[in-house]
Amino acid sequence: SQKIEQNSEALNIQEGKTATLTCNYTNYSPAYLQWYRQDPGRGPVFLLLIRENEKEKRKERLKVTFDTTLKQSLFHITASQPADSATYLCALEKDTDKLIFGTGTRLQVFP
Amino acid sequence: EAQVTQNPRYLITVTGKKLTVTCSQNMNHEYMSWYRQDPGLGLRQIYYSMNVEVTDKGDVPEGYKVSRKEKRNFPLILESPSPNQTSLYFCASSFRTPVLYEQYFGPGTRLTVT
Repeated sequence: SQKIEQNSEALNIQEGKTATLTCNYTNYSPAYLQWYRQDPGRGPVFLLLIRENEKEKRKERLKVTFDTTLKQSLFHITASQPADSATYLCALEKDTDKLIFGTGTRLQVFP
Repeated sequence: EAQVTQNPRYLITVTGKKLTVTCSQNMNHEYMSWYRQDPGLGLRQIYYSMNVEVTDKGDVPEGYKVSRKEKRNFPLILESPSPNQTSLYFCASSFRTPVLYEQYFGPGTRLTVT
């Protein structure tokens, strides 16, 4: 069955460093991948969408890569800040009108 | 302000007592969806709607009903709630398919069924 894996362990990093989160998937080949941010008790907020032919996409301090050979996406936050602390979800195209979400990785940025 | 609203935000009910969670969006979006979020399982889609009067099952539709009579509203109905439906529920909308368009999520409804 289709499966998305995100590191369930929290990632703790120091302010100013680059945070890198991983999203791996198996058993299918999505053409689109998204990343969302979720704060405790709140709904997810869309961050970025990347297409399979884009390989890399940037938005301010965020960078996403999409390696269809490795079946992996990496999500980078450069110059991280305590305000970046949240859970980050990846979501992949499941079929034409559906996304499938990972369980998310919690990022904690310490001053 | 573009937003998705849900009501109620918190609900405690008993097994078998029918309930409705309302969802409304003010962005004229065609696509609307309901998700539930459980620890360790992530967000799972319950039902979705591509447009008015068009609804379809997601991955976990059992025990739920939806309707889309107006473009802005997409209520979630639990005819006979059971304790395994205790969860955090999110409504979401997007211009069209969420595969290509940003999905906007509501603030969530925390439901407890005893």
